[in-house]
Amino acid sequence: DTAVSQTPKYLVTQMGNDKSIKCEQNLGHDTMYWYKQDSKKFLKIMFSYNNKELIINETVPNRFSPKSPDKAHLNLHINSLELGDSAVYFCASSQELGLAGEETQYFGPGTRLLVL
Amino acid sequence: AQSVTQLGSHVSVSEGALVLLRCNYSSSVPPYLFWYVQYPNQGLQLLLKYTTGATLVKGINGFEAEFKKSETSFHLTKPSAHMSDAAEYFCAVSDQHPGAGSYQLTFGKGTKLSVIP
Repeated sequence: DTAVSQTPKYLVTQMGNDKSIKCEQNLGHDTMYWYKQDSKKFLKIMFSYNNKELIINETVPNRFSPKSPDKAHLNLHINSLELGDSAVYFCASSQELGLAGEETQYFGPGTRLLVL
Repeated sequence: AQSVTQLGSHVSVSEGALVLLRCNYSSSVPPYLFWYVQYPNQGLQLLLKYTTGATLVKGINGFEAEFKKSETSFHLTKPSAHMSDAAEYFCAVSDQHPGAGSYQLTFGKGTKLSVIP
């Protein structure tokens, strides 16, 4: 069983389009995250949710909107895609909110987005 | 905000040789430190982490790391490299997000490990 899954794995689209990436975890975790990995492999957090509530919202354009229908799912919708949005997007989850800072995060396989 | 520096974006070792990947962090408080590995076209997988207690931490696949507070370092080692160790390695520190009251991971820029047969 896949612990953290993402769909689609690859996404090729034109500038200006709107697209969504879905993430699901079956670990029973309370907290989920979205990360962006750029072409130089640098990873940066975008959002975190705890029990469907937005906790961390980094400096991300308004075109990016996360949505958590339940605590096992965290989707990422991107409006008006731009060339600079091309990256690998990773979903992750952890047991707790992260109040202690020591929780392990479990990552999905990533969604490779290419904007043409 | 804390930061993580990984020295060497690319490290090459011969099969059977020692692997040493360097990580230094900046922190004003005792940190929680992590090493993750990313195999090609895959997500990140935890290798090991330091929270409290013993400063030498053992992880999966024969890797270990030592927390040295005086040097603000958390270098990753493996005595004998295997071809299957070829991957990207990320050091991370758990950083309290300003205003959110929760923690987040701040990653280094990664080190690509190549293993030469």
